[in-house]
Amino acid sequence: DAGITQSPRHKVTETGTPVTLRCHQTENHRYMYWYRQDPGHGLRLIHYSYGVKDTDKGEVSDGYSVSRSKTEDFLLTLESATSSQTSVYFCAIRGGSRDYGYTFGSGTRLTVV
Amino acid sequence: AQTVTQSQPEMSVQEAETVTLSCTYDTSESNYYLFWYKQPPSRQMILVIRQEAYKQQNATENRFSVNFQKAAKSFSLKISDSQLGDTAMYFCALFSGNTPLVFGKGTRLSVIA
Repeated sequence: DAGITQSPRHKVTETGTPVTLRCHQTENHRYMYWYRQDPGHGLRLIHYSYGVKDTDKGEVSDGYSVSRSKTEDFLLTLESATSSQTSVYFCAIRGGSRDYGYTFGSGTRLTVV
Repeated sequence: AQTVTQSQPEMSVQEAETVTLSCTYDTSESNYYLFWYKQPPSRQMILVIRQEAYKQQNATENRFSVNFQKAAKSFSLKISDSQLGDTAMYFCALFSGNTPLVFGKGTRLSVIA
């Protein structure tokens, strides 16, 4: 399977603090994605990247920023965490042009108190 | 805009029986891909099966098969000989027009011994 890791796996943080989640891949894939999962909402796209320094917003991007300075790393930052950002965050990578299925990291459970 | 609808928030099935999970979708693209993902309690997202829209033959992976009705924009998942390990959340997802994967809200399946 494709190598993709997320860190940390769990985090508790206080309202108003900045938080950065990391996604690392070893497959040299161009496309990387951040989703959040909430009960009753499925997975919703936050931001995605289609290359180094090339990123775009998803449907729930407010309050989040991303950076991709290297192919292998895609960072998600909550500038000032709020309780509504308590969620499970998934990073994903997309295979080549003949395989549009995504491979997901194991997720980060973030709790904002 | 692409949308995916799963109308069954929860389902249950007896062990060894067959169950069908429903999914409908909408896209204006002529070529697209549909997926079913499984999320067990471990939280890991696992690709179960994929279907390419231009292929008329329904995809099959061991006990998992789909009923792809392109005109009706329906993509249901059939699980045969259900096992306790099939207990999970199941997400239907759509990839079209090179836009990021869009997910339904999920169906929670419980397999009962």
